Amino acid sequence: SAVISQKPSRDICQRGTSLTIQCQVDSQVTMMFWYRQQPGQSLTLIATANQGSEATYESGFVIDKFPISRPNLTFSTLTVSNMSPEDSSIYLCSVKFSTEAFFGQGTRLTVV
Amino acid sequence: QQQVKQSPQSLIVQKGGISIINCAYENTAFDYFPWYQQFPGKGPALLIAIRPDVSEKKEGRFTISFNKSAKQFSLHIMDSQPGDSATYFCAADQAGTALIFGKGTTLSVSS
Repeated sequence: SAVISQKPSRDICQRGTSLTIQCQVDSQVTMMFWYRQQPGQSLTLIATANQGSEATYESGFVIDKFPISRPNLTFSTLTVSNMSPEDSSIYLCSVKFSTEAFFGQGTRLTVV
Repeated sequence: QQQVKQSPQSLIVQKGGISIINCAYENTAFDYFPWYQQFPGKGPALLIAIRPDVSEKKEGRFTISFNKSAKQFSLHIMDSQPGDSATYFCAADQAGTALIFGKGTTLSVSS
C-alpha cells in the first residue's frame, strides 16, 4: 500500500495567480499521476510524471498551464498557472503499485 | 479520454436493498477493472477489482460481474447500508498506464 500526502488540502486563489500543489509518497514509485476532479464529476487524467523525464500530458492539458516537476521517486508538484474560475476543481495525485492505484486526499482549489 | 461508460449517474436504494451499477468499456487492451469508492472530501479508495479471465468476484457484500464478450461489468452491493452512501467509480486499467474512470454514480441508501 501507499500513503500519499498532498499539500495544501484546500486554497482560495485570485484569478491570474498560480498555485503549486505538492504530493509526497511514502514509497518510491516510477510513475505518478495527476488528476482533476471538477465538482460532482469524474476524475480526468492531467498528466503522468516519471522521475527524470518530462511529464506526459493528456489531450486538453498543456505544460504551460500545468507544469509538473518530479525531482525524485517520492515527490512531485503540479502548478496551476494563470488561474481562472474554470480551474476551480479538486486536484489529486495518484500512484500505482502493481495494479492498485492509491490517491491522496486531494487539493480543493477555488479561484475567485 | 472517456473510454468507460458508467450508469446510472445517481441511485437511491432502501436500506437492505441491492444497489447495481453498470459499466461498459471499449478498449479490449484493458486487463484490470477496479471499482473505487469516494466519500466527500476524500480521495477514491479501492473497493474491489476483477480481471477479464474471471466472470464474478465477491468480497463480503460487494460483487463484480464481468461479461468479456459484451465488454461490460457491474457492481452489486447486497444488503445496502446507509454507510455505503458514497460515489462509486468504475475504472479500467492497462499495465503501465493510468486508470481510466467512468463518470461516477452517487449512491444514497435511505434508512
